Amino acid sequence: SYVLIQPPSVSVAPGKTARITCGGNNIGTYSVHWYQQKPGQAPVLVVFEDSGRPSGIPERFSGSIAGNTATLTISRVEAGDEADYYCQVWDSSSNPVKFGGGTKVTVL
Amino acid sequence: EVQMLESGGHLEQPGGSLRLSCAASGFTFSNYALNWVRQAPGKGLEWVAVVSGGGYSTSYADSVKGRFTISRDNSKRTLYLQMNSLRVEDTAVYYCARLNSGSNNYFDYWGQGTLVTVSS
Repeated sequence: SYVLIQPPSVSVAPGKTARITCGGNNIGTYSVHWYQQKPGQAPVLVVFEDSGRPSGIPERFSGSIAGNTATLTISRVEAGDEADYYCQVWDSSSNPVKFGGGTKVTVL
Repeated sequence: EVQMLESGGHLEQPGGSLRLSCAASGFTFSNYALNWVRQAPGKGLEWVAVVSGGGYSTSYADSVKGRFTISRDNSKRTLYLQMNSLRVEDTAVYYCARLNSGSNNYFDYWGQGTLVTVSS
């Protein structure tokens, strides 16, 4: 079964850059999507297809892939970016949806 | 504006049954596959099931296969999840999520969730 590995937590000062990684074997062969979930709220799509940004998502959010790691980058971090972030891929198995374990971003 | 609203979650005993509903608006309902995704308290996201736009094709996570049934009524613009033989480990917030299935599958809209608690 395909596994996505995320660090449990990332801390960043306001105005700095946060990088959240998502590791998986040959992840470059998949399309990676990212979701933001604030406490008590539903997830929100922030990046689709590795680097696409949905309407309404600030340009501060960007995605990339290199080697076996996908990265969600949040530039000029704000207090409102404090949330859990999940990566996701869809594969061809009978259990097609894979989520990473989630990364809690704390703004110092 | 796309809206998805879940209902039906409540406290149920182990071995019991529940039916969740998700009413949708703001898009051509039958054009989209729909999913249930759950989140146990303090845990991450877990995909549960998907149903195609026409309702004829379904797929389930191994953890619920044989116990849960996903279905939809396109005339009512409503998604369902019939949950039987409930277990304590099914306790979670259940979200309905629309699948954007162009070339790559991702969840572009989510409901606010409904809480299912399985406990004696």
